[in-house]
Amino acid sequence: NAGVTQTPKFQVLKTGQSMTLQCAQDMNHEYMSWYRQDPGMGLRLIHYSVGAGITDQGEVPNGYNVSRSTTEDFPLRLLSAAPSQTSVYFCASRRTGTSATGELFFGEGSRLTVL
Amino acid sequence: GENVEQHPSTLSVQEGDSAVIKCTYSDSASNYFPWYKQELGKRPQLIIDIRSNVGEKKDQRIAVTLNKTAKHFSLHITETQPEDSAVYFCALVNPGGYNKLIFGAGTRLAVHP
Repeated sequence: NAGVTQTPKFQVLKTGQSMTLQCAQDMNHEYMSWYRQDPGMGLRLIHYSVGAGITDQGEVPNGYNVSRSTTEDFPLRLLSAAPSQTSVYFCASRRTGTSATGELFFGEGSRLTVL
Repeated sequence: GENVEQHPSTLSVQEGDSAVIKCTYSDSASNYFPWYKQELGKRPQLIIDIRSNVGEKKDQRIAVTLNKTAKHFSLHITETQPEDSAVYFCALVNPGGYNKLIFGAGTRLAVHP
């Protein structure tokens, strides 16, 4: 199994440009999420989803959109990039339900720089 | 909303010493408390977790303790080794928010030979 796959690994954008970070998982996980990681700030939750058609905001959702049309895919969209969105982005997924371990599986991360 | 505070932000120990990292939370409904390790340039990976009906869990040199009354949980690493050097994150799941998982700010542990 590939696990959680994120693309691209690196991206440089100019202020105002738009882009989509792709995330796919092949573990049939219900829960998928996006985090951003900044120095000294830990992993902050942007958006998450508990199944196809269901998404919700996390701690820092402003400037980002998500959708969940399939169980496997959870893209993160930046509609108008700003320098404050320079960060490392991680997609992560896990099973949910009372019998699940709850372990969150992370992708390798996407380093985004906004000039 | 739920948040989790993690201390210390940095920790430096000599090889062979013990290391303790503590996290506190506010919502008593939280029921799952994992710890993740992130080596430099890598993705975070689960190292140990504990559920709310358990007070302590051990796995070789690492252990986690949970005090639900005081709302804090701690990671204990004994006989530290240089390969334990990494950033450690505590986290929790709150069932009142679609089971979203929230992380602490992280602790950078340095183990010196």
